[in-house]
Amino acid sequence: ETGVTQTPRHLVMGMTNKKSLKCEQHLGHNAMYWYKQSAKKPLELMFVYNFKEQTENNSVPSRFSPECPNSSHLFLHLHTLQPEDSALYLCASSHTAGVSYEQYFGPGTRLTVT
Amino acid sequence: DAKTTQPPSMDCAEGRAANLPCNHSTISGNEYVYWYRQIHSQGPQYIIHGLKNNETNEMASLIITEDRKSSTLILPHATLRDTAVYYCIVRVAGGGNQAGTALIFGKGTTLSVSS
Repeated sequence: ETGVTQTPRHLVMGMTNKKSLKCEQHLGHNAMYWYKQSAKKPLELMFVYNFKEQTENNSVPSRFSPECPNSSHLFLHLHTLQPEDSALYLCASSHTAGVSYEQYFGPGTRLTVT
Repeated sequence: DAKTTQPPSMDCAEGRAANLPCNHSTISGNEYVYWYRQIHSQGPQYIIHGLKNNETNEMASLIITEDRKSSTLILPHATLRDTAVYYCIVRVAGGGNQAGTALIFGKGTTLSVSS
């Protein structure tokens, strides 16, 4: 248990569906992240939020839409996805002050697009 | 691209020390060395980090060479549960706009611990 929770843990959706992934952190952090991990590939950064403001978008297609209503919650809204978007989606959080910026990851959402 | 080089795989016998090397020859003076691991189908887990001094915590020890161009993560008594992919990452510590800088993961080292 890292203090970062993600729901759902598994999701199967069709290409025309709309779904959302949720991440919540209970660590008092101010930065939150979305990463994507496709099969046999390194983790790829998708988005970064600092104090609810998006500070990085790593050229992610618009069919992925993040939302950060407060420093504890992060969503990833999905619509009209493609089969190649099937992957493990990981959320992480970290402090934004001080020396240590270690990130704490959630367990991930295993997404399958059919 | 990741700024570190790690062997793709290593084996270790249970109960023995696992020494995982990492090369980071282009590391900058303000960059730390971080180690994470990822057990199959789980999120990565922070292990340890350091700047230039050797570090130890309840999970592992980190040995950084004097020129900081390489480091070694040591798991003193490996168990089967230490089987995972281990990632060595260099990044700035943060502060200001750098605070939310994401981690850049490479392919890591797959450590297999066997009985």
